[in-house]
Amino acid sequence: VQLVESGGGLVQPGRSLRLSCAASGFTFDEYAMHWVRQAPGKGLEWVSGISWNSDNIGYADSVKGRFTISRDNTKNSLYLQMNGLRAEDTALYYCAEDYGDSSAFDIWGQGTMVTVSS
Amino acid sequence: QSALTQPPSASGSPGQSVTISCTGTSSDVGGYNYVSWYQQHPGKAPKLMSYEVSKRPSGVPDRFSGSKSGNTASLTVSGLQAEDEADYYCSSYAGSNNVVFGGGTKVTVL
Repeated sequence: VQLVESGGGLVQPGRSLRLSCAASGFTFDEYAMHWVRQAPGKGLEWVSGISWNSDNIGYADSVKGRFTISRDNTKNSLYLQMNGLRAEDTALYYCAEDYGDSSAFDIWGQGTMVTVSS
Repeated sequence: QSALTQPPSASGSPGQSVTISCTGTSSDVGGYNYVSWYQQHPGKAPKLMSYEVSKRPSGVPDRFSGSKSGNTASLTVSGLQAEDEADYYCSSYAGSNNVVFGGGTKVTVL
C-alpha cells in the first residue's frame, strides 16, 4: 500500500505547477482522495478532496479558483493543478486516501515540496 | 473554513494520561461524527490514530481514545510512553465536501 507524490519544485510567483500522486497496493477507484499541505514549521492544512468517481470535489478557501484537483482511475493517479502560485503556497504537499469516506486519512505519501519564490 | 482550536502544548509524565481538546462549531465538529486525530513525528507523514470520533484503526494501541461532546472533541492518551511525544492534529468534516484541521498540539513526555 503506497502513495508516491511527484511534481514539486521551485517556481516563481504567478506561475503554475502540476502535482501527481501514484497509488498502489489498494483499489484506488473505490476511495476518495485528498491533498493536504504543511508549510515549513507549521500545521496541517487540508487543500482539496475528490470522491471516487470525481462527482464531489471540495477546496479550501485559500486555493479556490486557483487549484484544480482531478483523478484518473485507469492510471491509479491523483493530480493537483496549481495556478497563480503565491509565496504562501510554499509547503510540503501530501496526498492521502480517505478511509471509508469518513474524511479520515489513513494512507499518506511522503510528500512533495513546493517552493514559490522569485 | 476556520481552523479548529487546539491547545499549542500538553505534557505528562510516563504512565500518566494527557487529554487534547479540539474545539470547532456546529458546522464542523458539532455537526458531524467525522472527527479524526493524527500523530506526527518530526520529519514524518501524519499517522491516523482515531476516526469517526472514537474508532481506532487497526494497529493503534487502545491507549488512544477519542470522544466528542457538543462542538469539542478530545483525544486521550493513557499510560504515556516516550514514543507518544509528537504533534497531534484533529480534523473534522465541515460540510460541502470540505475538511478542516486544528492547529496542532505538541505533546511532551516529561
